[in-house]
Amino acid sequence: ETGVTQSPTHLIKTRGQQVTLRCSSQSGHNTVSWYQQALGQGPQFIFQYYREEENGRGNFPPRFSGLQFPNYSSELNVNALELDDSALYLCASRDITHTDTQYFGPGTRLTVL
Amino acid sequence: TQLLEQSPQFLSIQEGENLTVYCNSSSVFSSLQWYRQEPGEGPVLLVTVVTGGEVKKLKRLTFQFGDARKDSSLHITAAQPGDTGLYLCAGDAGGTSYGKLTFGQGTILTVHP
Repeated sequence: ETGVTQSPTHLIKTRGQQVTLRCSSQSGHNTVSWYQQALGQGPQFIFQYYREEENGRGNFPPRFSGLQFPNYSSELNVNALELDDSALYLCASRDITHTDTQYFGPGTRLTVL
Repeated sequence: TQLLEQSPQFLSIQEGENLTVYCNSSSVFSSLQWYRQEPGEGPVLLVTVVTGGEVKKLKRLTFQFGDARKDSSLHITAAQPGDTGLYLCAGDAGGTSYGKLTFGQGTILTVHP
């Protein structure tokens, strides 16, 4: 148990739809990162938020966006879904001032049909 | 773009055998982490190595960071069925990219009783 929770566990959408995935960080963690893990691959960094501001972005288009809230929960929004967006979406939280260790949630499995 | 090449991609061995997983890059990382991921769960951190040439041991697992901080290895002695899982290496470039991990594609390890 890492103390990081994600919802929903599984989600099925169709092409062109929009989706919002949610992450609840460990208490006191001020940084959250989102990763996309395609089947059979390692996770790929999407973006990171620190104190509600985006603090770095990977090679993902603008239709991937995020929010971090004052209580350190966060959202990943994906617009205009494509088939290739089907993946496991992971969030990871940490207290950037105290540790390098990122604690991953169990992920949300998104299927786009 | 930083890349981490992980090998082998698949490893199927008998209980009691030894194995080594490799993680190589042409880029320098400020630290390198090894994770283990079970089906339906997020990656769980095993170890972080930060100093070139560093060797860390965690029971039957030995982790090494290359002198130039571009490569790493994970060696498991006397593998057990409980070691079965997906092993991932992840590099942190540090600086402005601090915390934004670059993952290898993973090694699926199966240990047969």
